[in-house]
Amino acid sequence: AQSVAQPEDQVNVAEGNPLTVKCTYSVSGNPYLFWYVQYPNRGLQFLLKYITGDNLVKGSYGFEAEFNKSQTSFHLKKPSALVSDSALYFCAVRGGNSGGYQKVTFGIGTKLQVIP
Amino acid sequence: DGGITQSPKYLFRKEGQNVTLSCEQNLNHDAMYWYRQDPGQGLRLIYYSQIVNDFQKGDIAEGYSVSREKKESFPLTVTSAQKNPTAFYLCASSPDFVGVYGYTFGSGTRLTVV
Repeated sequence: AQSVAQPEDQVNVAEGNPLTVKCTYSVSGNPYLFWYVQYPNRGLQFLLKYITGDNLVKGSYGFEAEFNKSQTSFHLKKPSALVSDSALYFCAVRGGNSGGYQKVTFGIGTKLQVIP
Repeated sequence: DGGITQSPKYLFRKEGQNVTLSCEQNLNHDAMYWYRQDPGQGLRLIYYSQIVNDFQKGDIAEGYSVSREKKESFPLTVTSAQKNPTAFYLCASSPDFVGVYGYTFGSGTRLTVV
């Protein structure tokens, strides 16, 4: 069974400092990996995805994520945090078996708090 | 602007009552999904539909029902059989059922049992 782990319930970072939100996964075949952000009482917004190709993926709002196959990780990063980045972040994985519907599994989310 | 509209934003249900949550999309997406979000549990899949007139149970379908009579609409009914329905419900869509493009989510409906 596929799974996603976000080991930190909350990450605190000072404004202007780099941030990292961690994600590891377990899945059959090559993974499709996603990051979403959720602001209070709102739906999730797509940030970025990894399907294939370069291990460093760039997404919305200055976020990027690094795919590491050997460590089965897909950590979300940003060089300089903004207070407005404070939100709940979800990592998600889809199995890489070809064809048909493949379930997407979401992590439990990591709350990012950027301190002014 | 294209997107997903969920209504109502807040919904209160009495014990033993069925309620229906609306989800409408104008993205021309084939696939639609319903998720339930509880604190500390992430998102759990209730039902999904790969194409109009077809839908499948997800991980926690008991006490819920759906229909997909139109491509743009995927309403969710929370029945009285769902014993703990208080949660935040999210509807999502994707261009196709393969799902590699990522999902577009609505703004959610917060359901509370009173």
